[in-house]
Order: sequence, then structure tokens, then C-alpha cells
Amino acid sequence: DGGITQSPKYLFRKEGQNVTLSCEQNLNHDAMYWYRQDPGQGLRLIYYSQIVNDFQKGDIAEGYSVSREKKESFPLTVTSAQKNPTAFYLCASSRLAGDTGELFFGEGSRLTVL
Amino acid sequence: DQQVKQNSPSLSVQEGRISILNCDYTNSMFDYFLWYKKYPAEGPTFLISISSIKDKNEDGRFTVFLNKSAKHLSLHIVPSQPGDSAVYFCAAITGGGNKLTFGTGTQLKVEL
Repeated sequence: DGGITQSPKYLFRKEGQNVTLSCEQNLNHDAMYWYRQDPGQGLRLIYYSQIVNDFQKGDIAEGYSVSREKKESFPLTVTSAQKNPTAFYLCASSRLAGDTGELFFGEGSRLTVL
Repeated sequence: DQQVKQNSPSLSVQEGRISILNCDYTNSMFDYFLWYKKYPAEGPTFLISISSIKDKNEDGRFTVFLNKSAKHLSLHIVPSQPGDSAVYFCAAITGGGNKLTFGTGTQLKVEL
């Protein structure tokens, strides 16, 4: 089945550690996105990529980094510079960047900093 | 600067009645609007959308209305069912834009 796979589903991290969240899609979509969800704040865009080897900062990119070496993969690294990393992280893809068709989301990864 | 706003964080409706979820936006350049539904610990799923050239779009029990002059859209669910209990996000995008802007969500609870 086509879809987006995020892993791990739950992750715990000590303060000061970097952590990488995986996102893989087999939908042959060009564009991929990372969102963060916090209570009462909806979904906020961290980074997005319209094509392999290219990505742009979203609204809250500070403390995060990404790479897009393959069309299928868009991993997100939460660095120690991110002040409030505990959140629910969602990866999404769309057929084309700006495609007015819908985004397809993964099931999310919940990161907790201890 | 919240460009897409959902001012009601929660809504409770009886089964069989109509649910109306509201969304306001400030950016007049938005020309396409979408609603997503999200269950706990899952990713959002697309529900219904509307282009700014229309004022209504219907899909089964779900209807979205757009009032461009008021910069307001609403999602009507009728009849509401217990399985509709979820968080609903509205989202908007500008023509030629490459990212969605989401609202803060409304938690809908449909009671028996």
C-alpha cells in the first residue's frame, strides 16, 4: 500500500541530545513537509522540500535540520538548539509543491525530552 | 500572526444534529481552502476543499461554505455521527503558493 511511514512513533531524549525522525513515502510525491503540533497551536511548518537536494525553512525552523537526498526520504533532526522540542511531529507529502490537492500525512512521531 | 483562525477550540453536538465548524482568515491572497480531520495519535486526513471561485462544495454529509467578503468559511456535518468526533483543522493556500497554513483546530465531540 502507498503511504507515508514515520518512525519511531514514540521517542524519548535527554536534554542536549540530537535526535533524528524518519519519514519515508512511496507515493512518488515530489514535495515533502515537516509539521509540529502543540496543544492549542495547530500545525506549524518546520521545513519543506519541493525537490531532491533542495529544501526551505518553514515558520519555525530554528533548532531543526533536514536533508532530501532521495525523493522518498525526508528525515528531520531535532538538535539541542531547539528550546522546546517536546511535541508531536508530522511528516506529509504532496504530489507537487503547491498542489491544491491534499497533503498526505504520516501517523506522527511523539518526541518527549526528559 | 495567525493568518487562519479557528476561534472555537471545542464543540459538542448530539448525534443526528448538525455540526458547524468555523474558520476565519486574514490573508486575502488565500484562494484555496481545505478541511482536515485528525484522530488522536494519528496524522490528519483530508476531508473536503473549496476553491475561492466557489461559495459551496458538498461531499456527502460534509459541506463547506466560503464567504470571501467576510473571509470566513465553515464546515457543516449533517447528520453528525459519533465517528465524526475528532479535531478538525482548516487550512489555506495562496495561488502558486507551496505551503498550507493551518488553523489551530476545533475538537468536535458527537454525543449519543
